[in-house]
Amino acid sequence: NFMLTQPHSVSESPGKTVTISCTRSSGSIASNYVQWYQQRPGSAPTTVIYEDNQRPSGVPDRFSGSIDSSSNSASLTISGLKTEDEADYYCQSYDSSNQGFGGGTQLTVL
Amino acid sequence: QLQLQESGPGLVKPSETLSLTCTVSGGSISSSSYYWGWIRQPPGKGLEWIGSIYYSGSTYYNPSLKSRVTISVDTSKNQFSLKLSSVTAADTAVYYCARQDEGGATSDWGQGTLVTVSS
Repeated sequence: NFMLTQPHSVSESPGKTVTISCTRSSGSIASNYVQWYQQRPGSAPTTVIYEDNQRPSGVPDRFSGSIDSSSNSASLTISGLKTEDEADYYCQSYDSSNQGFGGGTQLTVL
Repeated sequence: QLQLQESGPGLVKPSETLSLTCTVSGGSISSSSYYWGWIRQPPGKGLEWIGSIYYSGSTYYNPSLKSRVTISVDTSKNQFSLKLSSVTAADTAVYYCARQDEGGATSDWGQGTLVTVSS
């Protein structure tokens, strides 16, 4: 089994850029796609990045994803931060027949 | 537009079995491209994958829950179901049903249903 570790919280000012990391404990981060979900209070999650760096239609290009094999981690970068980006963000990946989510990162835009 | 809707009791007693059904509309559960999964979220905590099923009936479970979980599919009703046995307070959570690809990428979610385990 593998684990995905995210920072508990990050904060940044409107208009700035923030990056949220997701580190995989075992197995290569590059071997299986990573997804990123945004969850606002009281709502179901929605996908902001799938297959490492793909954006679903309707997600602004301020959201981008990447992976770094040297640190065995994935990153979600949000540029031009808006107050509406304030939410919890979760990474997710898989291994054989097992899936896992990161613990989630609370993004505060202030 | 695909829609998923969870249904089932909102209150379950400790040691009993939690049972939920997800009804899929706007698409066929028999699509060969997708899996159908259950994900839960305890109050104030993160997401936890419970398990997924293919329309053929092949199942994949979270190893930490495998001994207590059964997921089944009814293609005639376009539904899939979750049973979680021997529940405790730790199983109190919002339970989501979802459409996923083979790698777990979740493209569609139900609205979620809160299940509380309490006597």
